[in-house]
Amino acid sequence: ETGVTQTPRHLVMGMTNKKSLKCEQHLGHNAMYWYKQSAKKPLELMFVYNFKEQTENNSVPSRFSPECPNSSHLFLHLHTLQPEDSALYLCASSPDSTRRELFFGEGSRLTVL
Amino acid sequence: KQEVTQIPAALSVPEGENLVLNCSFTDSAIYNLQWFRQDPGKGLTSLLLIQSSQREQTSGRLNASLDKSSGRSTLYIAASQPGDSATYLCAITGANSKLTFGKGITLSVRP
Repeated sequence: ETGVTQTPRHLVMGMTNKKSLKCEQHLGHNAMYWYKQSAKKPLELMFVYNFKEQTENNSVPSRFSPECPNSSHLFLHLHTLQPEDSALYLCASSPDSTRRELFFGEGSRLTVL
Repeated sequence: KQEVTQIPAALSVPEGENLVLNCSFTDSAIYNLQWFRQDPGKGLTSLLLIQSSQREQTSGRLNASLDKSSGRSTLYIAASQPGDSATYLCAITGANSKLTFGKGITLSVRP
């Protein structure tokens, strides 16, 4: 098993759909992250969870709703997205949120029609 | 606010060449610096991690250096191969635990 697994790898959704992205890490880490990567932009941090508690929300619109039921799983619930939300969404984990030695998943490529 | 710059944005070299990728940052109060590799449409793979107290790290054909006083890091790739073609990103964890990424350098190694 790879260290950080993301599903689905590709997702196409309409603006009125509700979908979720899933991330699972098998590294025994306590911090998990969602990043957004758009073309020609640096990675944008969206959310940070440390020991299941959200510690950072980088002014992300409420149409993105994260959920972290335990230290190994992280979800990103998507609702009424906009076409500009189309991007690669990357999940990462680290030992904890102070030691940001990140291990990334392969990403979920999201297209909003 | 930490700013991380990677110039040039793209680089093309012939196979076998030794090359250096540059990363500069504005705030020297850092916790660590990481170099990542990203293949098109894929996630990031960690290549090297340099702690604030270290000057360099090596892994195979890769060597990363850190000079906090000048706000610079370099990733040296020896004897480049077409399989090295990818985007290389530099990321810095500040003393406040904030992680800042550069935009990356897209490397193409020509056979």
